[in-house]
Amino acid sequence: KQEVTQIPAALSVPEGENLVLNCSFTDSAIYNLQWFRQDPGKGLTSLLLIQSSQREQTSGRLNASLDKSSGRSTLYIAASQPGDSATYLCAVAGGTSYGKLTFGQGTILTVHP
Amino acid sequence: GAGVSQSPSNKVTEKGKDVELRCDPISGHTALYWYRQSLGQGLEFLIYFQGNSAPDKSGLPSDRFSAERTGGSVSTLTIQRTQQEDSAVYLCASSPGPNTEAFFGQGTRLTVV
Repeated sequence: KQEVTQIPAALSVPEGENLVLNCSFTDSAIYNLQWFRQDPGKGLTSLLLIQSSQREQTSGRLNASLDKSSGRSTLYIAASQPGDSATYLCAVAGGTSYGKLTFGQGTILTVHP
Repeated sequence: GAGVSQSPSNKVTEKGKDVELRCDPISGHTALYWYRQSLGQGLEFLIYFQGNSAPDKSGLPSDRFSAERTGGSVSTLTIQRTQQEDSAVYLCASSPGPNTEAFFGQGTRLTVV
């Protein structure tokens, strides 16, 4: 059974800092990994999707990497802003859980001015 | 519509009543997912539809929960004889196909009193 773990559970940083969120998964036979953002009381917003054949994806100040063999992904946020404050979730598709996404518990990020 | 639409956005019901939650996926998306997010908890997989294949119901917590997807489009999640522990946010997502980028709706917040 696929299990996804996110570290840290919570992170508080001052505005302007670069930061890294970590995601690990137990079954490396995945099709892709997706990073989402969730604001309080809202649904999930897709940030980046990395296919299993890719090593990284970039969107603006966000960069996600994937090391499938070791079961790890990182989300790097450059020059953080208060508007980046949210819960960040990673999810993997595939492996023994064909089709459905398996989520981590999320990292609660607070960026203070 | 441009995104996944869920209705109602909020639902308060009395214990023991039945409720129906609706999801309109993005047009043309063959995959549809239901997840549940309880207060302070991660996303719990409920059910996954892919095209005309038999749905993956492995996440439904009890036989009080059922879901349909009519005409490969709109989906309805039904909870019979609701209990207080059913209180949660129910999230629907769709994707173009299996193991592709998933897009979530804003969720339905269900409160059972």
